[in-house]
Amino acid sequence: AQKITQTQPGMFVQEKEAVTLDCTYDTSDQSYGLFWYKQPSSGEMIFLIYQGSYDEQNATEGRYSLNFQKARKSANLVISASQLGDSAMYFCAMRAFYGGSQGNLIFGKGTKLSVKP
Amino acid sequence: NAGVMQNPRHLVRRRGQEARLRCSPMKGHSHVYWYRQLPEEGLKFMVYLQKENIIDESGMPKERFSAEFPKEGPSILRIQQVVRGDSAAYFCASSPGPYNSPLHFGNGTRLTVT
Repeated sequence: AQKITQTQPGMFVQEKEAVTLDCTYDTSDQSYGLFWYKQPSSGEMIFLIYQGSYDEQNATEGRYSLNFQKARKSANLVISASQLGDSAMYFCAMRAFYGGSQGNLIFGKGTKLSVKP
Repeated sequence: NAGVMQNPRHLVRRRGQEARLRCSPMKGHSHVYWYRQLPEEGLKFMVYLQKENIIDESGMPKERFSAEFPKEGPSILRIQQVVRGDSAAYFCASSPGPYNSPLHFGNGTRLTVT
């Protein structure tokens, strides 16, 4: 069975500083994808970044980067130069590429990030 | 390119009534997923559909819940005889394919059962 663990219910960061949101996962699948989503207080789910299990390079998208350590089964999200608008819930998710659950995106419980001015 | 469109945004139903939630995927996306989010929790998978086919409904409650994605028109999540425990945010997502395609989510439908 697949599982996503986000151990930080809440995080604070000073504006303009970098912050790392932790995510570990458990799966027996060899091929899978890891995703991060942002959910602001308005409620929508915004896709941020994707990392495939066979990708050798860590994914980056603007101020977002994914610190992928396959042996440790971790996929931490790094946000550089935090902005006030980054305050939101952040969800880590994974998806197996094959097998019966290939459509199923499994989510962690989320981390609430608050950016202080 | 319009995103995933869900309506209504808010839906209030009395216990025992039926709730119908609609989802139009992004243009070019043939894969649709429904998720439920309870307060202070992550999203829980319910069902995965392609046009006219249910691919995976392992997260769908066995009774009162059904989903369809007809050849023409939006995907519909239907909840019959709603109960208070059905109150949640229901999100629809779409992707152009499975595997490494990210899911793009709609803004959700907030269902309140009174």
